[in-house]
Formats: sequence, C-alpha cells, structure tokens
Amino acid sequence: AQSVTQLDSQVPVFEEAPVELRCNYSSSVSVYLFWYVQYPNQGLQLLLKYLSGSTLVKGINGFEAEFNKSQTSFHLRKPSVHISDTAEYFCAVSAPRDNYGQNFVFGPGTRLSVLP
Amino acid sequence: EAQVTQNPRYLITVTGKKLTVTCSQNMNHEYMSWYRQDPGLGLRQIYYSMNVEVTDKGDVPEGYKVSRKEKRNFPLILESPSPNQTSLYFCASSLSRTGRSPLHFGNGTRLTVT
Repeated sequence: AQSVTQLDSQVPVFEEAPVELRCNYSSSVSVYLFWYVQYPNQGLQLLLKYLSGSTLVKGINGFEAEFNKSQTSFHLRKPSVHISDTAEYFCAVSAPRDNYGQNFVFGPGTRLSVLP
Repeated sequence: EAQVTQNPRYLITVTGKKLTVTCSQNMNHEYMSWYRQDPGLGLRQIYYSMNVEVTDKGDVPEGYKVSRKEKRNFPLILESPSPNQTSLYFCASSLSRTGRSPLHFGNGTRLTVT
C-alpha cells in the first residue's frame, strides 16, 4: 500500500518570493509521482509528473519538482510566485494494482496563499 | 476539447432520496474513477472501473454504487444518501491502468445531504 504525507497544510508566502511545498511518500513498490493544483471551484489539474529518468521535472506555470528516492520525497518548488498561484496543491503517487487498474493515492493537500 | 464532464455541479438533497451524479469523458479512456474530497483528508477513492462492465471498490465504497455500461460514462449512484456523504465529488479518467497515465478530472459536484 502507498501513502502520501504533505507536512504543511497551509503555506503563506509573499509575491515574488520562492516557495517549496513538501511531499513525502511511502510504498513497498516503485511508484509514479504527480503534483496537481486545484483552483477554487475547479477540478484538479496536472502540474507535473515523474515517471522515470531525470529526477528534476519541470511542469506548467514555472513549477518544478525533484524526486529523491533515498528520502522518498517529491518536493514542489517555484522560484518566484504570483498572486495567481494561490490554490491548493496535491501530491499523489500511483502504482499498478495487483489485479488490474491503478492505485492513485493523494496527500491531504497544501493550501498556498500568495500575499501582495 | 478533451474533458471529463460531471453533472450537476451542485446538489442539495434530503436523507434517503436516491440520486445519481453523471460523469462522461470524450477521450476514449479505459480507466475511470470516483473520488470524494473532504477537508484535511485529500481525495479518497470510492470506486473505479477498468473498462465496460468491470468495476471495483476503492477505499470508501460504502453507500455508493456505480455502473459502466458504456466506455465513456461512469455514473455514481447514492441509493439512500446520508448526511455523512455530504462532500465534494470528482470523477476522473486516465488512458491506461499502468499507473503511468495521469488522471484527468471533472470540475466536481458539491453534494449536501440534509
């Protein structure tokens, strides 16, 4: 079974400052890693994903994340945030199920508030 | 435009009155799934479906039913809703079952059961 921890439930940051949203996971099998963003009254949109290869992945809106296998982490970063980045961010892991299908497990989310 | 469409967006109902939330995707995805989102708990999977007539329970299936008679549609049925099913519900789909394909989400259905 997989689990995902997002240690920070809320992260306030000033506009144009850097931000890091933390994600740690546990799994007994190899997993794929994702970050999603949820703007108010909307569904979740994919920010970026790590499937294999380079551990630094770049996504939309200037976000990037680094996969660290030894620390089982997949932290999300942005060097300079904008007011429009205010949203909830979810880290997720996925792995094939034993029978069929895929098992997506989501973290509890981090609410990023960008202050003027 | 590739999308997952859920209806309705908002639903207020009373305890025990059967309801259905519809979900449709136009991407020919094999995999579809329902989640509920509650504050502090993230998203929890209710049911998923690998293909037509193939469904299975997720982590929180009690009180819900699903069906997959057509590849594009995956309705969520609450036969006798209760207040603890008040939540934000999301339908999602993905291309394959390997875990590599990201989920595509609908815009959500906010359900209130009084």
